[in-house]
Amino acid sequence: DQQVKQNSPSLSVQEGRISILNCDYTNSMFDYFLWYKKYPAEGPTFLISISSIKDKNEDGRFTVFLNKSAKHLSLHIVPSQPGDSAVYFCAATATSGTYKYIFGTGTRLKVLA
Amino acid sequence: DTGVSQDPRHKITKRGQNVTFRCDPISEHNRLYWYRQTLGQGPEFLTYFQNEAQLEKSRLLSDRFSAERPKGSFSTLEIQRTEQGDSAMYLCASSLRGTMSYNEQFFGPGTRLTVL
Repeated sequence: DQQVKQNSPSLSVQEGRISILNCDYTNSMFDYFLWYKKYPAEGPTFLISISSIKDKNEDGRFTVFLNKSAKHLSLHIVPSQPGDSAVYFCAATATSGTYKYIFGTGTRLKVLA
Repeated sequence: DTGVSQDPRHKITKRGQNVTFRCDPISEHNRLYWYRQTLGQGPEFLTYFQNEAQLEKSRLLSDRFSAERPKGSFSTLEIQRTEQGDSAMYLCASSLRGTMSYNEQFFGPGTRLTVL
């Protein structure tokens, strides 16, 4: 049972435009969500996170939106840059009762110059 | 380099052999995680240590897998009697409990295991 789903395996965006990456989850116990970026031959790198007490968190060009009723989160990158081309993973955890983080399958973003 | 390091980066072994991987977390980090990642999938949680205590282990982790963190610093992951299905990237991550960013995990580059 895939508790965290990223239904778009890939996304192409023109440089300077907005990239929107989506993530859905099924477990209502999840209360903390993270996005990671991964380049080839490297481990994932933390990008941004959001607690379930918020519906938006912003850090520079990156904004994460959380819609708890829809069990949906999205990562917005504005403006997109060629260096943003990577695989993006969303992850979720329930901060009480477990230390486990559940990752989605990833979305490969390609930003075209 | 003060990041998470893993050794070796690549390991090729024959089916039935035992392998051991090492992870050195960021020095002050008290939380350590092991994950496994296969092609087209995200990292899959294997186990978690807080200091030297192993507090959570995935039900997917068979008895052939064992992990230790003897002094609360580096950790080892051993796979006994390897099978071809064990071929994957094994990732280690660490974080620091007690800070606002305790959920932010820092990943190492991984150890790629190939079982022939």
